[in-house]
Amino acid sequence: GQQLNQSPQSMFIQEGEDVSMNCTSSSIFNTWLWYKQDPGEGPVLLIALYKAGELTSNGRLTAQFGITRKDSFLNISASIPSDVGIYFCAGQNNRGSTLGRLYFGRGTQLTVWP
Amino acid sequence: NAGVTQTPKFQVLKTGQSMTLQCAQDMNHEYMSWYRQDPGMGLRLIHYSVGAGITDQGEVPNGYNVSRSTTEDFPLRLLSAAPSQTSVYFCASRDSTTIDYTFGSGTRLTVV
Repeated sequence: GQQLNQSPQSMFIQEGEDVSMNCTSSSIFNTWLWYKQDPGEGPVLLIALYKAGELTSNGRLTAQFGITRKDSFLNISASIPSDVGIYFCAGQNNRGSTLGRLYFGRGTQLTVWP
Repeated sequence: NAGVTQTPKFQVLKTGQSMTLQCAQDMNHEYMSWYRQDPGMGLRLIHYSVGAGITDQGEVPNGYNVSRSTTEDFPLRLLSAAPSQTSVYFCASRDSTTIDYTFGSGTRLTVV
């Protein structure tokens, strides 16, 4: 299957710091997504990216779809305690034999110290 | 509009027992998926469906069966539970015209 390599695996930062995480794939995707999971809950979509080179922001979050279509990064600026959680990258092709399939990275566990 | 509803939230099984994890969505979504989440492994796809009557295997299908007789429901069956199936299970659904999957809140399964 398609593998997504997400890094770092975990981050411990102080409130107010910026955070960066990235994801690389062995295969091309035509959509990249970033999800956040709070404890005891399912993942919730943060940002979706639809074309190579796209840079998209959502409040303090910024994500980019790599030019090669095999990578993406997520930045969080001025972190706050409620940013704590697990962040997942996910890729999707939405066509052919992989129609409907969403592939996930292993997640980045973010801890924010006050 | 309840979204994606998973039941039960918690379950303990003995090795060899069978059970069905229920998943229902009220958004008329065509696509539904089952994932398992283990520490450090992310979310791994078990089975998925792109419509009623259509199912396909994901990355880790062994030990699990699914069926999709209606658009709303996508149950996941464990025929003979094993300790390796101890995990948190998530069901998700989306419309065929969008890209965002909506996730349920999960079922935490322990097999002893």
